[in-house]
Amino acid sequence: KQEVTQIPAALSVPEGENLVLNCSFTDSAIYNLQWFRQDPGKGLTSLLLIQSSQREQTSGRLNASLDKSSGRSTLYIAASQPGDSATYLCAVVGNTPLVFGKGTRLSVIA
Amino acid sequence: EPEVTQTPSHQVTQMGQEVILRCVPISNHLYFYWYRQILGQKVEFLVSFYNNEISEKSEIFDDQFSVERPDGSNFTLKIRSTKLEDSAMYFCASSKWQGPSNQPQHFGDGTRLSIL
Repeated sequence: KQEVTQIPAALSVPEGENLVLNCSFTDSAIYNLQWFRQDPGKGLTSLLLIQSSQREQTSGRLNASLDKSSGRSTLYIAASQPGDSATYLCAVVGNTPLVFGKGTRLSVIA
Repeated sequence: EPEVTQTPSHQVTQMGQEVILRCVPISNHLYFYWYRQILGQKVEFLVSFYNNEISEKSEIFDDQFSVERPDGSNFTLKIRSTKLEDSAMYFCASSKWQGPSNQPQHFGDGTRLSIL
């Protein structure tokens, strides 16, 4: 059974810092991995999707990497801003629909 | 940009009552999903729907749950006899394709279901 773990559970950084969020999964037989952002009481906004054949994807200040063989992905956020404060979820698609991690709650302090 | 819309945003229901949660997926998407998130816990898959039938469901999706696409635009989740433990945020999602593709799932803002 696929398990997704995200570390750290919470992170607080000063504005302007670069930061890395980590995601690991137990079954490397995945089709793709998706990173989401969730604001309090809101839905999930898709940030990036990496297919299993890819190593990374970039969108603006966000860069996601995937090492399928080791079961790891990272989300790199450059020059963090207070507006980046949210919970970041990773989820994998394999032989079952999306399996989510519990998320990393990010606070960027002005 | 097209988006998934869900109604209502908040539903309060007495235990034992039936509730229907509604979703309008993105119009050219073919796969539809329901997920739930109990407060403080992970988002969990409930069911996926394709070509007017359930394609996959989790162990959470028992006989009290059903899904329907009553017309060309709506996708509904019905909980027949609600229990206290059904209190959660329910998310609808849709995608153009499923599996080994570059098609992400797009989520609605959710319906917060509170069972009293």
